[in-house]
Amino acid sequence: NAGVMQNPRHLVRRRGQEARLRCSPMKGHSHVYWYRQLPEEGLKFMVYLQKENIIDESGMPKERFSAEFPKEGPSILRIQQVVRGDSAAYFCASSTTQGRYTEAFFGQGTRLTVV
Amino acid sequence: AQKVTQAQTEISVVEKEDVTLDCVYETRDTTYYLFWYKQPPSGELVFLIRRNSFDEQNEISGRYSWNFQKSTSSFNFTITASQVVDSAVYFCALSEEAGANSKLTFGKGITLSVRP
Repeated sequence: NAGVMQNPRHLVRRRGQEARLRCSPMKGHSHVYWYRQLPEEGLKFMVYLQKENIIDESGMPKERFSAEFPKEGPSILRIQQVVRGDSAAYFCASSTTQGRYTEAFFGQGTRLTVV
Repeated sequence: AQKVTQAQTEISVVEKEDVTLDCVYETRDTTYYLFWYKQPPSGELVFLIRRNSFDEQNEISGRYSWNFQKSTSSFNFTITASQVVDSAVYFCALSEEAGANSKLTFGKGITLSVRP
């Protein structure tokens, strides 16, 4: 059973470009969470999605950031017009069902560098 | 608002020493969950333990043990007889959501270096 898969592992973008980060949850998992880890910081919650629904986006910056989790395919975190401050590690986690006693499974993260 | 404080930022020990990583949390909820994660140099996050607020029993898993003290809002992690492979960043985290792991609030992490 493959774990949570994130790709790419490393992504370099120039200022003003778009960044697309992908997360394939573990098989059977329908809940996805995105977190951002700035340098020397802990992880900060960004958004929680179920298939085709955004449940909680209270941690998402108001502009340039969006996330989706379509019926088919991976979850996508999209950052438009990237700036240097977006450089960070972005982690995705998946779980089975909200409300169940279950552990979080994190992907290996995507390290975004904006030059 | 919930908050997790890991006051220690970096700890360095010699192999075979015991080391305790501190974690203090703040929450207004009576039901909450506490977690520890390990982030080795390779960068992934490795789940170590989850503890709910109703279960104050200490837990031991091999060389790892956890001390949950509700009275002091602490959830400390001890590694006994540390090994070089324990070198990593360790995060304590809190969730106020029932059951699963949505919206974890993480501490800033403790960088543990174990020297041979």
